[in-house]
Amino acid sequence: DGGITQSPKYLFRKEGQNVTLSCEQNLNHDAMYWYRQDPGQGLRLIYYSQIVNDFQKGDIAEGYSVSREKKESFPLTVTSAQKNPTAFYLCASSINRDSHQPQHFGDGTRLSIL
Amino acid sequence: QKEVEQNSGPLSVPEGAIASLNCTYSDRGSQSFFWYRQYSGKSPELIMSIYSNGDKEDGRFTAQLNKASQYVSLLIRDSQPSDSATYLCAVNFILTGGGNKLTFGTGTQLKVEL
Repeated sequence: DGGITQSPKYLFRKEGQNVTLSCEQNLNHDAMYWYRQDPGQGLRLIYYSQIVNDFQKGDIAEGYSVSREKKESFPLTVTSAQKNPTAFYLCASSINRDSHQPQHFGDGTRLSIL
Repeated sequence: QKEVEQNSGPLSVPEGAIASLNCTYSDRGSQSFFWYRQYSGKSPELIMSIYSNGDKEDGRFTAQLNKASQYVSLLIRDSQPSDSATYLCAVNFILTGGGNKLTFGTGTQLKVEL
């Protein structure tokens, strides 16, 4: 089945630790995105990528890093510099960055602090 | 600042009634509008997209767009308990320097009561 796979479903981070969230898609989509969702708030854009080896900061990129070495994969690293990482992280993809193209989401990763 | 506003609810409707969800946005130049459904603890699922003024129907769902008044709405006919979820409005804003950005409202919680 075509889709977006995020792993793990739940993740716990210790103080000073970097953690990496995986996002893989087999939809042959060019564009991929990472969002963060906190209770009572809308989705906030962390990073996005339009093509392989290119990515751009979103609204809340501080404390996060990404890579896009393959079209299918867009992992997100939550670094120790992110002081409030507890949230629901959502990866999305779209055919391209054309404004008419909808974004489709993976199942998400819940990150908590130990 | 590009904004998307939704009433957080909860909006309670009896089973079989029409649920009406509303969304306003700040940028008159926006071209693309999406409705997502998000069940508690799950990721958003695209249910409707609309690009032109007027109504667009898909099964029990109707999206309505009025660009002059800068609002988009979602009607759910014959509401079912399984429709109980948070509905996110998303608007694709065209950026001054080029490109576009999908901005999400905080969502309206819908409760369909037996």
